[in-house]
Amino acid sequence: QVLLVQSGAEVKKPGASVKVSCKASGYTFTSYAMHWVRQAPGQRLEWMGWINVDNGNTKYSEKFQGRVTITRDTSASTVHMELSRLRSEDTAVYYCAKSAAANIGPLEYWGQGTLVTVSS
Amino acid sequence: DIVMTQSPDSLVVYLGERATINCKSSQNILYSSNNKNYLSWYQQKPGQPPKLLIYWASTRESGVPDRFSGSGSGTEFTLTISSLQAEDVAVYYCQQYWSTPLTFGGGTKVEIK
Repeated sequence: QVLLVQSGAEVKKPGASVKVSCKASGYTFTSYAMHWVRQAPGQRLEWMGWINVDNGNTKYSEKFQGRVTITRDTSASTVHMELSRLRSEDTAVYYCAKSAAANIGPLEYWGQGTLVTVSS
Repeated sequence: DIVMTQSPDSLVVYLGERATINCKSSQNILYSSNNKNYLSWYQQKPGQPPKLLIYWASTRESGVPDRFSGSGSGTEFTLTISSLQAEDVAVYYCQQYWSTPLTFGGGTKVEIK
């Protein structure tokens, strides 16, 4: 079955960076896009960006442009999301989500989420 | 950006009764070439990630009970739970995948009366 397993919770200071990983299994890794979505406490789900896992092309939300980088390691079936210059408002649960398509499509499987806390 | 607006914010329904959630997009998300609406519905229970229920506005994901149904087209959509069960207590989100940034509605919390 499809599984997306994310790395563990992180606590970071303002200005630091965080890198969250998402290891995929149970399907052909390079055939489907991977998206990142975050959910701050009490807020709606917020899309951050996506990666074409086959060719590595990425597209990011303008809100995070310049601060977010999504990469993939096909040998490890893992996608990474790095967010830099963290501020308190970045405290949220971060999810990877597998698209049902090679690019944009419904998000059919989700990781368990990674809580990132930004606090001085 | 396409803005997704859900109503109501919360809903309290008797067990076995119908629950209806509305979602409106700020732009048309029906692609005329394939006659598909680029809209999904998700269910999120506390402490869990969202779960895909419906895509293409009305196609039920495999394994989703048939009491869940989606309808609508263009800019107005509805998720209906025909007979609410205790396990349906959750927050429900609509989402458009017509264009990036993908955007979500604000969520509708469904509770049992």
